[in-house]
Amino acid sequence: EAEVAQSPRYKITEKSQAVAFWCDPISGHATLYWYRQILGQGPELLVQFQDESVVDDSQLPKDRFSAERLKGVDSTLKIQPAELGDSAMYLCASSPGLAGSYNEQFFGPGTRLTVL
Amino acid sequence: GQQLNQSPQSMFIQEGEDVSMNCTSSSIFNTWLWYKQDPGEGPVLLIALYKAGELTSNGRLTAQFGITRKDSFLNISASIPSDVGIYFCAGPHYGGSQGNLIFGKGTKLSVKP
Repeated sequence: EAEVAQSPRYKITEKSQAVAFWCDPISGHATLYWYRQILGQGPELLVQFQDESVVDDSQLPKDRFSAERLKGVDSTLKIQPAELGDSAMYLCASSPGLAGSYNEQFFGPGTRLTVL
Repeated sequence: GQQLNQSPQSMFIQEGEDVSMNCTSSSIFNTWLWYKQDPGEGPVLLIALYKAGELTSNGRLTAQFGITRKDSFLNISASIPSDVGIYFCAGPHYGGSQGNLIFGKGTKLSVKP
């Protein structure tokens, strides 16, 4: 069964360090999403890609966060420098449909980030 | 902006009991989704609702799309220990880029064997 892959599953870092998370969506899925989930809350969208293009990054803190999906397949989310408040679960999801319409989103297992 | 309010925040029930939880919004949603999240994992879609008044079942789970389009309900019958987890309602955000999801804060379910 096709799944969204994410790595690492867990990451512990010190504040001011750089961290990067990787996501490999389900093969053929055009749309890719990065969500952040703070403990006790629901996921919140950070950035949405349609193929290699950013569709929505309005909630991405661009002073420290960056995301790319260079070939329209896998994607990397980076934080530099990490701050204590960045501790959260970072979830990647992919969807077979195009941005602009709802299609079922399939979530990966997430990366749990702890910033010390 | 669009927000989803879930209640209750948490539930402690005995195995075999039925469970009911709901989700409300001040704005209209055209699709309602119910996800379950196990500890340390990503959310998994349980039920999707696309039409006002729709009632959909998935095994012991039943969800309804409210006729006002501002609420949805999820019921679990005859709960079992593996029902433990956090249940989220979600809907597509139509304020900016369409398609991405807005989530409620979740209902945490605990089941005593």
